[in-house]
This record gives sequence, C-alpha cells and structure tokens, in this order.
Amino acid sequence: EVQLVQSGAEVKKPGESLKISCKCSGYSFTNYWIGWVRQMPGKGLEWMGIINPGDSDTRYSPSFQGQVTISADKSITTAYLQWSSLKASDTAMYYCARPGYSSSSFYYWGQGTQVAVSS
Amino acid sequence: QSALTQPASVSGSPGQSITISCTGTSSDVGDYNYVSWYQQHPGKAPKLMIYEVSNRPSGISNRFSGSKSGNTASLTISGLQAEDEADYYCSSYTSSRFYVFGTGTKVTVL
Repeated sequence: EVQLVQSGAEVKKPGESLKISCKCSGYSFTNYWIGWVRQMPGKGLEWMGIINPGDSDTRYSPSFQGQVTISADKSITTAYLQWSSLKASDTAMYYCARPGYSSSSFYYWGQGTQVAVSS
Repeated sequence: QSALTQPASVSGSPGQSITISCTGTSSDVGDYNYVSWYQQHPGKAPKLMIYEVSNRPSGISNRFSGSKSGNTASLTISGLQAEDEADYYCSSYTSSRFYVFGTGTKVTVL
C-alpha cells in the first residue's frame, strides 16, 4: 500500500528555519516524482515544486524559487521541504503528493503539515 | 505562470448537472492533455477525480466526467449529490515542465 506520511504540525517564529518531511512507503521511491503543494488559510492550492528522488532533478514554481528548498533522501525514502528564514506569510498547510494513474496526475497525498509562523 | 481561471462558485440542486470550467493558455491546457481535476472537502487532502482530461481513477463515480476544447477544460458532475459539495481544482502540466492549479471552485448543493 502506497503511503505518504508527513511530519507533525509546527509553530515557529519569523526568521526561524524549518524542515518538514514526507515519509514514503509501499513503492519504489526513486521511480516517482514527489510534489509539494501549499494551501494558505482559506485559499486555493499552489504547486511549490517537484523532485525526482532518483536523480534529484528539482523544479520550482517561479513563486517559490529561492524561497524554499526541496530535497529527498533515498536511503530513508523521505522527501523534504525546508525554509531558512520563515515569514508570517508562510503560515499554511503543506501537502506532499505522488503521481498515480499517469505521470502528470497526483493520486497519492500526504495528510498535510500545518505550519504556523507568528511572533 | 498564472493560475488557471475557474469560476469561484457553482451551485445546483440534487440530481442536476453542473459544469466547472478551467481556462488556461496555449502553454498549458491548450498544449497538453495533462489536465487533472481534484476534489477537496474541508480539512482534507485533495482527491484525484479526473486525469488526462477525461479519465477516471478506479472508484470514482461515472457521474464525474471531463473534457477539453482549446484552452478550456471542463468538469461535469451529473446527478449532483450532497456529498459532491466541496472545492474543486483543475491542474495542468505546462511548457515550463511544471504544473499549475486553477483558482478553485466551490460547489454548493442547494
């Protein structure tokens, strides 16, 4: 059974760093891209970036390029989303997702990680 | 890359059919048959409802159907049911080798 299990909710202060995770199991981790999606409170879904764990090829939305870093550790089949300096505007729910049925459709989703940034 | 354009809200009575549009450009919807539709209930992760314009994953009701014409994709829900009340998002692959979501549509069952 394919599972994407995300790390727990975080409460941080502006300027702090953060790395959230997406533990993947039930399939060959290096065969599928992993995507990260942001959903700000009461707002829509936004693609942040995607990573191919097989070769670490990473693509970012222009809106998020330079703002976050996406990585993956093949040895523990886990993908990561990290910030070096959080802002209040990073407060959101973050989802990881994996394609299924076709390479361009994301069928498997993590449960989401809530990040709250406040002074 | 701008978000694809969807109507903010669509409503219908139980049993009726509704259609949600998703308008992009020749660099995304118009150039690729890689349009997906997602359903999201409050507090839940998105759920894939349609992939590659018109295909349904296993377990998705045939009341959900997708199509595309030019730069606009559409999701039709027929025989509307109370459980269909949710937010719906389209997504397309783009010429930037990345993806873009639509602005989202809130479906209300009257």
